[in-house]
Amino acid sequence: LAKTTQPISMDSYEGQEVNITCSHNNIATNDYITWYQQFPSQGPRFIIQGYKTKVTNEVASLFIPADRKSSTLSLPRVSLSDTAVYYCLVVGQSGGFKTIFGAGTRLFVKA
Amino acid sequence: SQTIHQWPATLVQPVGSPLSLECTVEGTSNPNLYWYRQAAGRGLQLLFYSVGIGQISSEVPQNLSASRPQDRQFILSSKKLLLSDSGFYLCACAALEGVNEKLFFGSGTQLSVL
Repeated sequence: LAKTTQPISMDSYEGQEVNITCSHNNIATNDYITWYQQFPSQGPRFIIQGYKTKVTNEVASLFIPADRKSSTLSLPRVSLSDTAVYYCLVVGQSGGFKTIFGAGTRLFVKA
Repeated sequence: SQTIHQWPATLVQPVGSPLSLECTVEGTSNPNLYWYRQAAGRGLQLLFYSVGIGQISSEVPQNLSASRPQDRQFILSSKKLLLSDSGFYLCACAALEGVNEKLFFGSGTQLSVL
């Protein structure tokens, strides 16, 4: 499975848009991209998932360029409660999350 | 939708004592089940996964074992805990939504080995 690289931490202020980019240069044709959010002392929670172009749901948008070697999670108008760790995963379409989560990106939202 | 029950929430155990963490899943059948461990400030490490009753795969050599005695029950065990077994243990269930799978996590067990 493709290895992912994302920034260790990011700071933002309430009301701003936050973009977290993940690199996955070795992504395979059948792999898809998934993002999770984790608060302290809780299990990760699914945010969004995509294969190509743009995906949007009520929480975030996911932008994937044509070469699929990177992806960007966009959080619109963040609030203090969006302070969390965000993980980017690349998983095979055949299923099975047999991968090690990276350290993720620690997002700090300030007032 | 599936619900994952994991207990206890916190556990303090002496070195050398046994361990049994239980995870049960509701709302789905024949799920893929996973045990992850998370050290403080780190990402999640996959320990075990299971695609069915009695079928366990270990991802890393360690002091722990896993068993799946029933379709929706996944147990993490140790005969003798080590200090290095301390961490946040998470049970997860993979659910198929559309053509892709998502992981759903339990609330976790914070284990401190002293």
